Amino acid sequence: GAVVSQHPSRVICKSGTSVKIECRSLDFQATTMFWYRQFPKKSLMLMATSNEGSKATYEQGVEKDKFLINHASLTLSTLTVTSAHPEDSSFYICSARDMAMNTEAFFGQGTRLTVV
Amino acid sequence: QQPVQSPQAVILREGEDAVINCSSSKALYSVHWYRQKHGEAPVFLMILLKGGEQKGHDKISASFNEKKQQSSLYLTASQLSYSGTYFCGTERAAGNKLTFGGGTRVLVKP
Repeated sequence: GAVVSQHPSRVICKSGTSVKIECRSLDFQATTMFWYRQFPKKSLMLMATSNEGSKATYEQGVEKDKFLINHASLTLSTLTVTSAHPEDSSFYICSARDMAMNTEAFFGQGTRLTVV
Repeated sequence: QQPVQSPQAVILREGEDAVINCSSSKALYSVHWYRQKHGEAPVFLMILLKGGEQKGHDKISASFNEKKQQSSLYLTASQLSYSGTYFCGTERAAGNKLTFGGGTRVLVKP
């Protein structure tokens, strides 16, 4: 199956700082990437849909100024958590999908963010 | 709208069978099934498109009842490796976003 690489896998940062998470599709062109947030023992909550070369579409209740998403190429999307606070601590997962082929979504390894 | 999964959790002995259901109140185009181990990313199992198809992968199979907007995942002769949380993701139209259910935690004991 296709490979999606997410980096870093773990990050600890201080309150008030920003953290950037990268999501790369390694062997296919991902026209669309999705960013999810997952709390312990909970489901995957979609934060935003990222389309290459255009602005991301955020789900209701997700602050777009806090969670900046950039999808500059068909293989790279980034999520930047700005001015992080302890309540932003969570497991963030990206997924990539070739929407033209309507195939399954491939997930990155996830990033465990801890804000202290 | 989030699909509803049932049961929330199930404990099995190795070799036993289980069924996980995923229901939607809206018409669906497809249903995707994933399994997630603790601390890891979800792993794709299978995708079912509208039309009421069935699919199988080893001893894990699934069906999609378009009339009921319900999909079922069947774990047959369960193995220890089947343990994890199973999520269904539903798509309301081709090329649309996936919305995931609350998950079903499966524990297979020796």
